[in-house]
Amino acid sequence: DTGVSQDPRHKITKRGQNVTFRCDPISEHNRLYWYRQTLGQGPEFLTYFQNEAQLEKSRLLSDRFSAERPKGSFSTLEIQRTEQGDSAMYLCASSLGAGGRSEQFFGPGTRLTVL
Amino acid sequence: GQNIDQPTEMTATEGAIVQINCTYQTSGFNGLFWYQQHAGEAPTFLSYNVLDGLEEKGRFSSFLSRSKGYSYLLLKELQMKDSASYLCAVRPTGGTDKLIFGTGTRLQVFP
Repeated sequence: DTGVSQDPRHKITKRGQNVTFRCDPISEHNRLYWYRQTLGQGPEFLTYFQNEAQLEKSRLLSDRFSAERPKGSFSTLEIQRTEQGDSAMYLCASSLGAGGRSEQFFGPGTRLTVL
Repeated sequence: GQNIDQPTEMTATEGAIVQINCTYQTSGFNGLFWYQQHAGEAPTFLSYNVLDGLEEKGRFSSFLSRSKGYSYLLLKELQMKDSASYLCAVRPTGGTDKLIFGTGTRLQVFP
């Protein structure tokens, strides 16, 4: 399967713990995006990268969230001191190029539950 | 601000035609996407519009009017497997590549 993959698929944690998620994009895609989706809502943009450079970060993303894409391939999203409001599906997407018809291909997501 | 409106839910009958509307007010416009999302799964790309008019792709068509800030997704010959959420997303201007999504329209197709 050469699609976008995410790990883990599910994560249950206690409030105050740190969690890290991984995303592996489609291999030739240079852009990688993170979104968050809660039940009954559309995905909400968090941040995106072109290769290893983080180009944009949502103002909604608090200092507890950090994302990296160190070698321009896979990316990690870390949430420190988790809160119950962080419970959501975290979606990763990748695209080849930017603008125009370049569609974003989404991974299956990591479902986070904070107890 | 960014605002994208879609109906929350719609129902239709197998074999029928359904139109899902989307209106948007965003900081500039640089393309509109429709995605399909089955429950518990990732969104998958359906269509892209950047110029006014209709884009047809098999049973699915998407229309855009930039002056009205309006788009619709038309699904023909509905099948049970079309039961899913349909997400309207806009890419704003300003050199960004992010997508602003609406809340999605949950479509239920009945036999």
